[in-house]
Amino acid sequence: NAGVMQNPRHLVRRRGQEARLRCSPMKGHSHVYWYRQLPEEGLKFMVYLQKENIIDESGMPKERFSAEFPKEGPSILRIQQVVRGDSAAYFCASSPSITTDTQYFGPGTRLTVL
Amino acid sequence: QQQVKQSPQSLIVQKGGISIINCAYENTAFDYFPWYQQFPGKGPALLIAIRPDVSEKKEGRFTISFNKSAKQFSLHIMDSQPGDSATYFCAASKGSARQLTFGSGTQLTVLP
Repeated sequence: NAGVMQNPRHLVRRRGQEARLRCSPMKGHSHVYWYRQLPEEGLKFMVYLQKENIIDESGMPKERFSAEFPKEGPSILRIQQVVRGDSAAYFCASSPSITTDTQYFGPGTRLTVL
Repeated sequence: QQQVKQSPQSLIVQKGGISIINCAYENTAFDYFPWYQQFPGKGPALLIAIRPDVSEKKEGRFTISFNKSAKQFSLHIMDSQPGDSATYFCAASKGSARQLTFGSGTQLTVLP
């Protein structure tokens, strides 16, 4: 039973480019969470999605960031026109249902903006 | 209101010693308190978690102590081993929101 998968593991972008981060939840999990971890800091919640629905995006920056979790395929976190301040590790977590507390984290995508 | 404060920022313990990491929260609506362990270059992994209806939970060498009135909870690692050297994060969530609010992390080093 594979865990949460994220790709790419490392992503380098130049300022102004777009970054697409993918997350495949654990089998049977329909709830996905995205968190951002800046260097030497804790993880900060960004967005919570279920299949085809954004449930809570209160942690998402208002501009340039978007997320989706389509009926088929992985969840995508998209960052348009990246800036150096976007450099961070982005983690995805999944859980099987709203009544389950435990979130299982993926290995993360480390984004570097040059 | 949403903050979780964690201390110390770093901790050095001798092999076999007890490691203690503390967290304090403000939002009384929080009802789930997990601890995560993170190794460099890896994602956080759940260690142990507690709900406010119990004051202590033990799993192997790891124990959570919870003080609801003080709004504090702590992680105790008994018989600390070099392999426990990692960054530890406390977190909290409330109700059906399920988003985790993380502490700032504690970098634990266990000396051989």
